[in-house]
Amino acid sequence: DAKTTQPNSMESNEEEPVHLPCNHSTISGTDYIHWYRQLPSQGPEYVIHGLTSNVNNRMASLAIAEDRKSSTLILHRATLRDAAVYYCILRDVLDYGQNFVFGPGTRLSVLP
Amino acid sequence: NAGVTQTPKFQVLKTGQSMTLQCAQDMNHEYMSWYRQDPGMGLRLIHYSVGAGITDQGEVPNGYNVSRSTTEDFPLRLLSAAPSQTSVYFCASSYKGWGTDTQYFGPGTRLTVL
Repeated sequence: DAKTTQPNSMESNEEEPVHLPCNHSTISGTDYIHWYRQLPSQGPEYVIHGLTSNVNNRMASLAIAEDRKSSTLILHRATLRDAAVYYCILRDVLDYGQNFVFGPGTRLSVLP
Repeated sequence: NAGVTQTPKFQVLKTGQSMTLQCAQDMNHEYMSWYRQDPGMGLRLIHYSVGAGITDQGEVPNGYNVSRSTTEDFPLRLLSAAPSQTSVYFCASSYKGWGTDTQYFGPGTRLTVL
C-alpha cells in the first residue's frame, strides 16, 4: 500500500471548521482513501472514504485533489467530542484479506 | 447488533503466563483481525482471518497464536507473556476484507505484563 503523510497535531476552536490534510504522492489509480478516527481510550472508528470525487456524510466531508496526491478531511463544525487522532489510510480496491496500515495520524485538539 | 466485543477490558499477567483474549462479532463478517497499539503509536497487525478455518500472520505475529473455528469468534492466545507484549489490543472485522470494506473495531483490551 502507498504511504501517507499527515501533520502530527492540529488545534481548532469549538464550532469552527477543521481541515485535516493528508499527502499521498505515490497513490495508485485503484487506491481508495479512507479516514478513521480514534477517540481517547476507544478503538478506531470509520469516518469516510472515497476514490476520486469529493464525498460527504453526516460526520464529515472528504475533498480529494484532482491529481489525487493529497486529500483533506473537513469537519464542518468541530465539537469537543471530535478531539481524537485522525488516520488517513490508503487501501487498494483489489486488496483482499490484508490490513489497514495505521500510521501515527494527526492528533486534533478542540478548544472550548 | 452488539458489533465487535472484546473481553476482558483489562488484564495483568506475570511474565511467562498464558492467556486468551476473546473477540466476537455478530455482523456475519468474514474478515477479522487483531492489532496491537503501543503508547503514542499507530496500530500494528498481529494476525488476521478471511474466514472460518483460515488465518494468516500480520506484521508482528511472534508470541501470539490464533484460530478461527466459527465466523463469529477470533480468539488471540498469548503463549508465554513477556513485558514487551504490554499494549492495548484491538480486534476488528469487516464484511469480506476487500479494500473498500469498512472495518469495525472493538473497544480494546489493555494488557500489562509484569
